[in-house]
Amino acid sequence: ILNVEQSPQSLHVQEGDSTNFTCSFPSSNFYALHWYRWETAKSPEALFVMTLNGDEKKKGRISATLNTKEGYSYLYIKGSQPEDSATYLCAFSGSAGGGADGLTFGKGTHLIIQP
Amino acid sequence: KAGVTQTPRYLIKTRGQQVTLSCSPISGHRSVSWYQQTPGQGLQFLFEYFSETQRNKGNFPGRFSGRQFSNSRSEMNVSTLELGDSALYLCASSYFSGRTDTQYFGPGTRLTVL
Repeated sequence: ILNVEQSPQSLHVQEGDSTNFTCSFPSSNFYALHWYRWETAKSPEALFVMTLNGDEKKKGRISATLNTKEGYSYLYIKGSQPEDSATYLCAFSGSAGGGADGLTFGKGTHLIIQP
Repeated sequence: KAGVTQTPRYLIKTRGQQVTLSCSPISGHRSVSWYQQTPGQGLQFLFEYFSETQRNKGNFPGRFSGRQFSNSRSEMNVSTLELGDSALYLCASSYFSGRTDTQYFGPGTRLTVL
């Protein structure tokens, strides 16, 4: 059973502050790492798909880095805004088993931006 | 471009019944994946279909099944419903592979089993 851990589980941040959180995943048989943002009453929204060790992706004030050798990814939000309040999910895809498994999601980091 | 649609949005069933949920992917997307979310659990992968073939399957009992049609629309079926099947069921479409391509999620079907 694959283990994808996200920390912290929840985070309260003041508006304007920057923040980051972590996704840990198996370092062997890596194929891809996804990040999604899930706002209440909406559908999960894709942020990034990362496939290469050392990958860095950026979308506006949000960026992510990937270290496949040690099995972690960081998501950074610069200058948090109230609309950033959401649950941030990472999902791991491994290459073992001939691709028999789909994405394995972490339980998410619940981010609350306080005005 | 229209997004992923799921029907119905809400459903109430009783134990022992069966249910069919439907998902229409974004036009041109050939991969459809299904996920289950229950309280306290993360999103759990059910299965992925591509070109009418099940490509990947998660760790769920055989009561959970699915299919995909030639127009890429997909259905999932749960037979002999149990209380624990109460969950939000999400489908997601991607152009080729749910493992490596960006997935676009639908709004979900909220299933309640009484």
